[in-house]
Amino acid sequence: NAGVTQTPKFQVLKTGQSMTLQCAQDMNHNSMYWYRQDPGMGLRLIYYSASEGTTDKGEVPNGYNVSRLNKREFSLRLESAAPSQTSVYFCASRTGTGREKLFFGSGTQLSVL
Amino acid sequence: SQQGEEDPQALSIQEGENATMNCSYKTSINNLQWYRQNSGRGLVHLILIRSNEREKHSGRLRVTLDTSKKSSSLLITASRAADTASYFCATEPSGSARQLTFGSGTQLTVLP
Repeated sequence: NAGVTQTPKFQVLKTGQSMTLQCAQDMNHNSMYWYRQDPGMGLRLIYYSASEGTTDKGEVPNGYNVSRLNKREFSLRLESAAPSQTSVYFCASRTGTGREKLFFGSGTQLSVL
Repeated sequence: SQQGEEDPQALSIQEGENATMNCSYKTSINNLQWYRQNSGRGLVHLILIRSNEREKHSGRLRVTLDTSKKSSSLLITASRAADTASYFCATEPSGSARQLTFGSGTQLTVLP
């Protein structure tokens, strides 16, 4: 059972380039999340999808877009990367039927030069 | 803004000692959760305590919740070198289901 899988694990971009971070879960979870983690800041919520077909902004959505492609997959897109988006990005999921724990992927280390 | 804030930011203890980390938050919550993160890895859930609970145990972990003070503590007893990690509290505010908010974490180092 793979759990939450994120790709790629590492990425280096130049300012202005675009890219999509992929996330897939095989636990039949309804809710999926994208967080970013910066040193000393903890995790901040970028976007989440409470269920297939819905997405909502979190605390820091500017500069990002998301797509809930199906129940399994939730992608995060940077249309025009900026150095301020250098961070570690985590995807997470949970069942969504109540208030329960999150399952995390192993993260994507993104550097924007 | 961060809902939960951990204290201390860093903690260094000897193997066998107990480690206590604290979390304070700002608004009323449905539940509070503790997560662990090993260096370079994703977060792993440790324990969840609901707003109507005051204490919970799981193995060497003991969590308390004081909703009147808006604070929680995580106690790790008889610590081991393998407990070295960052520990985060996460809160789910009342009325905001599906949005867990994380603190900035406590870096625990257990010296062998």
